[in-house]
Amino acid sequence: DQQVKQNSPSLSVQEGRISILNCDYTNSMFDYFLWYKKYPAEGPTFLISISSIKDKNEDGRFTVFLNKSAKHLSLHIVPSQPGDSAVYFCAASVANFGNEKLTFGTGTRLTIIP
Amino acid sequence: DTGVSQDPRHKITKRGQNVTFRCDPISEHNRLYWYRQTLGQGPEFLTYFQNEAQLEKSRLLSDRFSAERPKGSFSTLEIQRTEQGDSAMYLCASSRRSASNEKLFFGSGTQLSVL
Repeated sequence: DQQVKQNSPSLSVQEGRISILNCDYTNSMFDYFLWYKKYPAEGPTFLISISSIKDKNEDGRFTVFLNKSAKHLSLHIVPSQPGDSAVYFCAASVANFGNEKLTFGTGTRLTIIP
Repeated sequence: DTGVSQDPRHKITKRGQNVTFRCDPISEHNRLYWYRQTLGQGPEFLTYFQNEAQLEKSRLLSDRFSAERPKGSFSTLEIQRTEQGDSAMYLCASSRRSASNEKLFFGSGTQLSVL
């Protein structure tokens, strides 16, 4: 039962263009969403998050959009840079549980082409 | 803030052997999590501690797995009688309990290979 889904295993984008990574979830109790970035042989590092009371959160080149009715979120990276090449994981949690236990998607490997 | 530290980074063992991993969380964080990641998958939750209390365990954590956090600081994850299916990256994360959502900080993981 995959509660958080990233249906694109990989994505290639030209440097300077926009990268859009997508994520769908099935559990309507999820109310906090995060994106993590992972380089090989390293642990995931936090990128950006959004609470279910918002539909957009922006941090520099990174913007996360949340569509609760569609149970869909996306991460936009503008402009894309070679250092953005990594695996990106979408994750979700239920704040009412009182812990930050995360349910992760399977990841999307982003490759930025110079 | 020195980050979450995990030791060892890599462990190769033979099937049937016991292994133990250590995690040192960020010092002021009272919550500690263990996750497991296999190839092509995202991290999967195994268990978490608040201080020294183990508050939740996933059904993924069979009785061959045991985790401890004896003084509410570092944690150990032991796998007894390892099987080839235990081969994975074992990730530790920590966070600080607060009224609002806190993100998890992950260590670099321990890559386990069971031969």
